[in-house]
Amino acid sequence: NAGVMQNPRHLVRRRGQEARLRCSPMKGHSHVYWYRQLPEEGLKFMVYLQKENIIDESGMPKERFSAEFPKEGPSILRIQQVVRGDSAAYFCASSKADGTDTQYFGPGTRLTVL
Amino acid sequence: GDSVTQMEGPVTLSEEAFLTINCTYTATGYPSLFWYVQYPGEGLQLLLKATKADDKGSNKGFEATYRKETTSFHLEKGSVQVSDSAVYFCALSGLGKGAQKLVFGQGTRLTINP
Repeated sequence: NAGVMQNPRHLVRRRGQEARLRCSPMKGHSHVYWYRQLPEEGLKFMVYLQKENIIDESGMPKERFSAEFPKEGPSILRIQQVVRGDSAAYFCASSKADGTDTQYFGPGTRLTVL
Repeated sequence: GDSVTQMEGPVTLSEEAFLTINCTYTATGYPSLFWYVQYPGEGLQLLLKATKADDKGSNKGFEATYRKETTSFHLEKGSVQVSDSAVYFCALSGLGKGAQKLVFGQGTRLTINP
C-alpha cells in the first residue's frame, strides 16, 4: 500500500519562474493538505482540499500561490513568479476524512529558488 | 489562535539515557494531540497520538499522556538509541472551523551519541 507520493523531490527554479509541486494521496484518501517548512522551523499549514474543492486556504499567501485537487490526478501546488523567500520544503499530507482522522505525510518537495 | 510550544533544542543524550521533550499547547476546546518524527531528508512520520484527556499514546518505546489540567503532551522514552536521532514535532488538530489543519511546534532536534 503506497504512501503519499510527492514529486519532484527536489526542484530548482530561477526568480520569476513557476514552480509546480505534485501530490498523490494514499489510496482511499480523499483529503489533501499542504504545509510549508522553512529552514530550521516547524511546518505551517497552507491549504486543505477535497476533490475539486478548496476547504480551507487560510494559510496560503494572497498572491502567486494556488492549489487544486482535480477529480482525476494529483493535487497541485502552484507558485508563480517565485522569489528567494519561497525556498522551503513543501509537504503534502492526506487523510481519509477530516476532523480527527490522522494525516499521513509525503517525503516533501525541496524548492530552491536561485 | 491555537498554538504549540516545544522545548527548545538541540538535545544531545547518550545512548540508553532517559528522554523527555516538553510540549504545551493553547487551544479552544479539546484538540487531538500528536507527535511526529522527521528523520534527515525525509517527511514526517506519525509517532503517536491521543484524542482525549488522560489518553496515553505509545509507539516504539515512546509515550505521551494528554494532560488537560496542564495543557501538556510531553514525549518520553526510557532508554534512547542512536537510531532515535531525528527532529520531533508536537502538533494539535483543533475543533470547529479549521479543525482539519495541524498546528505544529517549532520542532526539537535530538541527537543520541553512542
